[in-house]
Amino acid sequence: DGGITQSPKYLFRKEGQNVTLSCEQNLNHDAMYWYRQDPGQGLRLIYYSQIVNDFQKGDIAEGYSVSREKKESFPLTVTSAQKNPTAFYLCASSNSHGYTFGSGTRLTVV
Amino acid sequence: GDSVTQMEGPVTLSEEAFLTINCTYTATGYPSLFWYVQYPGEGLQLLLKATKADDKGSNKGFEATYRKETTSFHLEKGSVQVSDSAVYFCAVSGGSNYKLTFGKGTLLTVNP
Repeated sequence: DGGITQSPKYLFRKEGQNVTLSCEQNLNHDAMYWYRQDPGQGLRLIYYSQIVNDFQKGDIAEGYSVSREKKESFPLTVTSAQKNPTAFYLCASSNSHGYTFGSGTRLTVV
Repeated sequence: GDSVTQMEGPVTLSEEAFLTINCTYTATGYPSLFWYVQYPGEGLQLLLKATKADDKGSNKGFEATYRKETTSFHLEKGSVQVSDSAVYFCAVSGGSNYKLTFGKGTLLTVNP
């Protein structure tokens, strides 16, 4: 079955460490997205990519970085510059017919 | 840019009650409108969508009509069940880059 896989489901890191969240899709979608979800804030767009080797900042890109070296993969790195990294992170992909979301990664920084 | 305003929760209903969650949007051009549902600890699932004015999206007893004149896409269900308890997000997608802009979400709890 086609879909999006995010791993791991839960991630714990110490403050000051960079951490990379994985997102892989086998839907052959061109576009991929990273959203951050905080209680009462809805989903906010971090980065998005419409084609391989190209990506754009979303609304809250500061402290995050991405790469898009392959169509199937869009990893997100949460850097030590992100002031409040503890959140639920959702990856998505899309084509002209719609969006598919992963099941999310809950990152806790201690 | 695009924006979505949806009814703040939490909303608590008894089983078989009528549900309305209000959603209004601002967007340029001819956006598509969506309702997503999120169960605890999970990602988002598409509930329904509408791509042009006056379209009605429907799924699992939920309905929403794309009203361009009032820029609204209110979610309704005639008789909710306990299993409908979840967070509901209204979203708009406009322009050529297919970005989704979400509302803040509405937590629905249905009691037996």
